[in-house]
Amino acid sequence: QSALTQPPSASGSPGQSVTISCTGTSSDVGGYNYVSWYQQEPGTAPKLMIYEVSKRPSGVPNRFSGSKSGNTASLTVSGLQAEDEADYYCSSYADTNNLIFGGGTKLTVL
Amino acid sequence: QMQLQQWGAGLLKPSETLSLTCAVYGESFSDSFSDYYWSWIRQPPGKGLEWIGEINHSGNTNYNPSLKSRVTVSVDTSKNQFSLKLSSVTAADTAVYYCARRTTVVYYFNNWGQGTLVTVSS
Repeated sequence: QSALTQPPSASGSPGQSVTISCTGTSSDVGGYNYVSWYQQEPGTAPKLMIYEVSKRPSGVPNRFSGSKSGNTASLTVSGLQAEDEADYYCSSYADTNNLIFGGGTKLTVL
Repeated sequence: QMQLQQWGAGLLKPSETLSLTCAVYGESFSDSFSDYYWSWIRQPPGKGLEWIGEINHSGNTNYNPSLKSRVTVSVDTSKNQFSLKLSSVTAADTAVYYCARRTTVVYYFNNWGQGTLVTVSS
């Protein structure tokens, strides 16, 4: 099972919106609503930001939102803030009893 | 609040077996054990995350197909711990290894260990 495809980098100015894509196949992203997104700052463990495509855990700002269309999931960060600068990884359940991650996207706040 | 704390050897030679352990603090492992899958995930330096495998309360395991032949995940409920063994390591196995927990029937991780850097070098 190949890793999910993410753009290596994304950027935006404070206050703007940025969307990060995560492309898989019908055996993973497209076949299940089990896409999640993680934020990782240098030297720390990933932090869950979105689960089951569009749900936000308690404590995650509503500036973060998720969606899915076909085999591609997306994470949108609205009203960018300097503290949002980090690496972002998508993940999906995959056939059969497998979990796969994307390669990661480095988000830069200009 | 539940915490995962992990440890293990940080420097290995090629062909050796990687061994890491993760302990659960802050709640009874046996009380919560049946509700979760206990997982291992790794991240090579400067690269993305890779799921390795997991175990549940019944001892059922799921492994990444690309690593399955070399991976064993086990659990010791008496010690509130679960472990990872990866055999025949090479330089490609150099990574930060994380333990993590997910709730059964969901596929996301909201509890992570602090990570352990394992370097494979001759």
